[in-house]
Amino acid sequence: AQKITQTQPGMFVQEKEAVTLDCTYDTSDQSYGLFWYKQPSSGEMIFLIYQGSYDEQNATEGRYSLNFQKARKSANLVISASQLGDSAMYFCAMRFGAGGTSYGKLTFGQGTILTVHP
Amino acid sequence: EPEVTQTPSHQVTQMGQEVILRCVPISNHLYFYWYRQILGQKVEFLVSFYNNEISEKSEIFDDQFSVERPDGSNFTLKIRSTKLEDSAMYFCASSDPLLGASDTQYFGPGTRLTVL
Repeated sequence: AQKITQTQPGMFVQEKEAVTLDCTYDTSDQSYGLFWYKQPSSGEMIFLIYQGSYDEQNATEGRYSLNFQKARKSANLVISASQLGDSAMYFCAMRFGAGGTSYGKLTFGQGTILTVHP
Repeated sequence: EPEVTQTPSHQVTQMGQEVILRCVPISNHLYFYWYRQILGQKVEFLVSFYNNEISEKSEIFDDQFSVERPDGSNFTLKIRSTKLEDSAMYFCASSDPLLGASDTQYFGPGTRLTVL
């Protein structure tokens, strides 16, 4: 079964500290893509970071990094130096293998609400 | 920076009425998607569209739903006879896998549909 799970409904972090948001997945596919999106209270979906299943290096984008542990099937998002504007819902999403094609639907986790305290 | 746009931002309709949600994907993107998010729940895939035809659809995307690319810029989602349970945020997304292996999907700001 292809499944993606975010087990933390809510997380709290102090401003300027780092926080890790968990994401685990289940698939027998060898080729897949992992994405993180941010959804502020205004509702839009903002792409943050991508990790391909064959990428050996963990992806980084500014303050965002992805702790990809393939054997454990986890793709946790690390936000360093949290800011008040980071308060939002965060979704992990996965594009499961599609016969070698690089396009296809995203399957989303349940989301984690992050609250950054001053 | 190019972005996906959606209109209207909020649509209120009576049960049984037809609605059309509009999207303008990022120019030169080739793949288009519709997702929905019922309030407080996760985002669910509805349909993908490529080369003027549906590539994949979910079980949610029944005969009441249809998609169309009527011209070179717009991508629409039509719900023929809305039900109360169609109330949700509807997101359009687009991607171009030729730009890189990630095939990142960029989302529009969403249309909040309320069915009364």
